[in-house]
Amino acid sequence: GAVVSQHPSRVICKSGTSVKIECRSLDFQATTMFWYRQFPKQSLMLMATSNEGSKATYEQGVEKDKFLINHASLTLSTLTVTSAHPEDSSFYICSARGGQDQPQHFGDGTRLSIL
Amino acid sequence: GENVGLHLPTLSVQEGDNSIINCAYSNSASDYFIWYKQESGKGPQFIIDIRSNMDKRQGQRVTVLLNKTVKHLSLQIAATQPGDSAVYFCAENIGFQKLVFGTGTRLLVSP
Repeated sequence: GAVVSQHPSRVICKSGTSVKIECRSLDFQATTMFWYRQFPKQSLMLMATSNEGSKATYEQGVEKDKFLINHASLTLSTLTVTSAHPEDSSFYICSARGGQDQPQHFGDGTRLSIL
Repeated sequence: GENVGLHLPTLSVQEGDNSIINCAYSNSASDYFIWYKQESGKGPQFIIDIRSNMDKRQGQRVTVLLNKTVKHLSLQIAATQPGDSAVYFCAENIGFQKLVFGTGTRLLVSP
């Protein structure tokens, strides 16, 4: 149980392209989903918290117009990196949580490479 | 500020040994702790969690110990196997909101 699917697993695209990443909870309903960014050999840094049906809460320093988050249903959240540039290249990971007292379960991440 | 750190960045053990991975946290208000395992190129995998009203919890081959007095968390892995090789993160939760992750410890298991 508690499977989170993230798609695509890898994206390589040109600078200026917008990229959408999907995060789905497959066997549970996720009232809250989280988006993280991870640089090589570093820990996970929370970018934003996404609650179904409401606006995402962004961490300090994360541009909300750059990283658009939509949590349209209890099983799907999307992160769109708008007009991506090489500095946006990173490993993006989502997680989902069934309830406030439940652990977060993570997807397998999306490796984004901007040329 | 909130900080969750680890004492050992890399831990090397022999197959069959017991492994202990340590984590220090600084926020005494943290009330929920989770250990995750992350293999290369994958997302973190839930291992075990513990709430602040407990000091020990056991799973299959894993035990988490929580010492709130010194703000210390540890993960014990019994009979470590090569498949246990990964980076292990502790994470703390305050009021069941966002998680704050530690820096990670790489566990290397030699056959």
